[in-house]
Amino acid sequence: GQNIDQPTEMTATEGAIVQINCTYQTSGFNGLFWYQQHAGEAPTFLSYNVLDGLEEKGRFSSFLSRSKGYSYLLLKELQMKDSASYLCAVREDSNYQLIWGAGTKLIIKP
Amino acid sequence: DVKVTQSSRYLVKRTGEKVFLECVQDMDHENMFWYRQDPGLGLRLIYFSYDVKMKEKGDIPEGYSVSREKKERFSLILESASTNQTSMYLCASSSPSGLAGADTQYFGPGTRLTVL
Repeated sequence: GQNIDQPTEMTATEGAIVQINCTYQTSGFNGLFWYQQHAGEAPTFLSYNVLDGLEEKGRFSSFLSRSKGYSYLLLKELQMKDSASYLCAVREDSNYQLIWGAGTKLIIKP
Repeated sequence: DVKVTQSSRYLVKRTGEKVFLECVQDMDHENMFWYRQDPGLGLRLIYFSYDVKMKEKGDIPEGYSVSREKKERFSLILESASTNQTSMYLCASSSPSGLAGADTQYFGPGTRLTVL
């Protein structure tokens, strides 16, 4: 069956680095997305990985290993505004649907 | 920038009422989606549409219907609202030719619906 696992909640300190993991079990794979969602707001797109390796975009990086069914989102130089939920989503095949994880709530402390 | 708007941020309805949620996108996207989001469950797909007048059921279509008469507009209809449909409803759109990555979905601000 389809399954995406992420930790429910993580806590980190302002200025530090945090890694949010996502593991997936799907019948196919055609891309993995990371979204950020602040409380009460809509998800906003952060990154997209379809090939193995690291994609860097400013303070945020996303890594993918297709053979392991694993991705992580790395946030550097944490700021208080990074307090949000981070959603991992997988596209199984060439259709338009995404399978979503339940999200990881990241709490940043001063 | 992609802009997806939804007709209401907050809505309170009574059990049995017919409810219309509207979504409009201004980027000429082919695909549009309706999700509901509940704590601990993640986003669950209700319906999606890949073209005008086309619709496909998602994972939880029961109790809902949709309409897409124009490319930019996708409506979600609750035929007879029930308390278990109290949720956050999110609309999204995407295009196969999206620059950020194929079929990246862009979301509206959401409608928090409460059914009493």
